[in-house]
This record gives sequence, C-alpha cells and structure tokens, in this order.
Amino acid sequence: AQSVTQLGSHVSVSEGALVLLRCNYSSSVPPYLFWYVQYPNQGLQLLLKYTSAATLVKGINGFEAEFKKSETSFHLTKPSAHMSDAAEYFCAVSEGTGFQKLVFGTGTRLLVSP
Amino acid sequence: DGGITQSPKYLFRKEGQNVTLSCEQNLNHDAMYWYRQDPGQGLRLIYYSQIVNDFQKGDIAEGYSVSREKKESFPLTVTSAQKNPTAFYLCASSRLSEAFFGQGTRLTVV
Repeated sequence: AQSVTQLGSHVSVSEGALVLLRCNYSSSVPPYLFWYVQYPNQGLQLLLKYTSAATLVKGINGFEAEFKKSETSFHLTKPSAHMSDAAEYFCAVSEGTGFQKLVFGTGTRLLVSP
Repeated sequence: DGGITQSPKYLFRKEGQNVTLSCEQNLNHDAMYWYRQDPGQGLRLIYYSQIVNDFQKGDIAEGYSVSREKKESFPLTVTSAQKNPTAFYLCASSRLSEAFFGQGTRLTVV
C-alpha cells in the first residue's frame, strides 16, 4: 500500500530564505507524486506533479521538487520565501493515471516571518 | 468557468441528525472523491466513485453514505452513526493525472 511521510508539521523561515519541505513516499509500483497547497478554509490547489517524466518538476509560484527514486523522496523547494507562501502544504502519492486515489501526508504548515 | 462547487461552506448539525453535503462538478470527470480533513491528520478518503451508479468505500466510510446518480453530482450524507462528524470535508474529481478540489464544507456538531 502507498504511504507518504512529511517530516515536520511546522516549518518556519524568514522572508527571502530557502524553503525546504520534506516528503518521503512508499509505493509498490512507480508512483505519481503531487504537492498541494492549502490556504485557510479553502480547498487544495495543485503546485506540481511528477508523472514519470523529468525528475525535476517545476510548479507554480516558483516552487519545484525533485523525484529521487533511490531515496524515495520528493522534497519541495523554493529559493526565496515570500510572505504569501505561508500556508499548509500536502504531499500525496497515487499509483497511476486515470483513477486518482490519492494518499496524503499529514501536511506541513509553512510560517514566513518578515 | 469549469470547477467543483461544494455547498454549503459552513454547516451546523445537531446530535442525531443526518446532513447532506453537496458536490457538483462541470469538468466532465468520471471519478469523484470525498475526503475528510482533521488538524494534524492530513486528508482521509471517505468514499470514491469511478463512474455513475458505482462507488466504493474509502478508509473511513463508517457513518457516511453517498450516491452517484449523475456524472456531475456526488453528494455525501453524514449520518447519525458518525460519532465525531465535526471536520472539514473536501470533494474532488479527477481525470488522467490530476485531481481538482472544491473549496470545502466545514461541518460542526452543536
């Protein structure tokens, strides 16, 4: 069965600093991996997705993630944090295209200080 | 604009009442899902449907029921058997490799 582990329920950075949110996955087949962002009392918005093409995936708002099969990781990064990046971030895994029975991590809340 | 509409945004339920959360999509997606979100627990799958008139239990289906009579609609009923229904509920639909989410319904038991 698939699973996702997000290390750190909260991550704090200063504005302009590097953002690194960690995600490790477990899957018995080549996975599809996703990062979503959620602002308070709203739904989830897709940041980026890995679907077995390029291992370095670029998403919206300057975020990117690298799929590392040897480490079973899909960490999310952004070179320079902005105040508007403060939100909750979820990593998710599914086992293929078409039917997206996503399995989510527990989320990481990103706090950005001036 | 295409998307997923959940209603209402806020819902209050008395003990012992059933309530129904609405989810409508105009994206022409076959698959639809209901997730429950609690603080610190991520999203957990309640029910999903891959096609009209068919649906499957997810990981936490007890105390919930769904129907899928139309492609566009996938309502969720929270029954009185659900002992801890206070949560944020998210509906989603998907096609190929991407899922799209509604804005959620926050259900509170009073």
